[in-house]
Amino acid sequence: DGGITQSPKYLFRKEGQNVTLSCEQNLNHDAMYWYRQDPGQGLRLIYYSQIVNDFQKGDIAEGYSVSREKKESFPLTVTSAQKNPTAFYLCASSIFSPSGANVLTFGAGSRLTVL
Amino acid sequence: AQTVTQSQPEMSVQEAETVTLSCTYDTSESDYYLFWYKQPPSRQMILVIRQEAYKQQNATENRFSVNFQKAAKSFSLKISDSQLGDAAMYFCAYRSNTGNQFYFGTGTSLTVIP
Repeated sequence: DGGITQSPKYLFRKEGQNVTLSCEQNLNHDAMYWYRQDPGQGLRLIYYSQIVNDFQKGDIAEGYSVSREKKESFPLTVTSAQKNPTAFYLCASSIFSPSGANVLTFGAGSRLTVL
Repeated sequence: AQTVTQSQPEMSVQEAETVTLSCTYDTSESDYYLFWYKQPPSRQMILVIRQEAYKQQNATENRFSVNFQKAAKSFSLKISDSQLGDAAMYFCAYRSNTGNQFYFGTGTSLTVIP
């Protein structure tokens, strides 16, 4: 079945450590996204990528980094520079058609807790 | 960035009754898309319904329908015959016709009372 796989589902990190969240999709979607979800704040865009080897910062990119070396993969690294990294992280993908009614397909999410 | 506002942080409805969730948005564009997503306790986001702004007819998906008021920039979701499985967080989202960024509201937590 086609879909998006995020791993790990739960992750604990000590302060000062970098961690990488994995996101893989087999939907043949061009665009991929990372969102952060905090209580009462909805989904906030961290980074998105429309094609391989290209990505753009979202509204809250500081302290995060991404890569897009393959169409299927869009890993997110939470660096030690991110001041408040404890959150729920959602990866999503969509076809890339600016004039079409593209929808986002989401992974199951990763919960990061900083100890 | 576009702004999407959901002014009801929490709502509740009796089972089998109807409930309406509100959403407003701010845009200067004439062509765009609007969505409602559901996030149940599993936290898996699911698309509920979508609306193209150029279509005057309101979208409907089974028990879910929208009231799209373009001039008022309002996009409410109506859930009819509410079921226990409808209990979830509901997010309204906007996407421009000229880009591929999606903007989300802060969500409405819906409780269904048996």
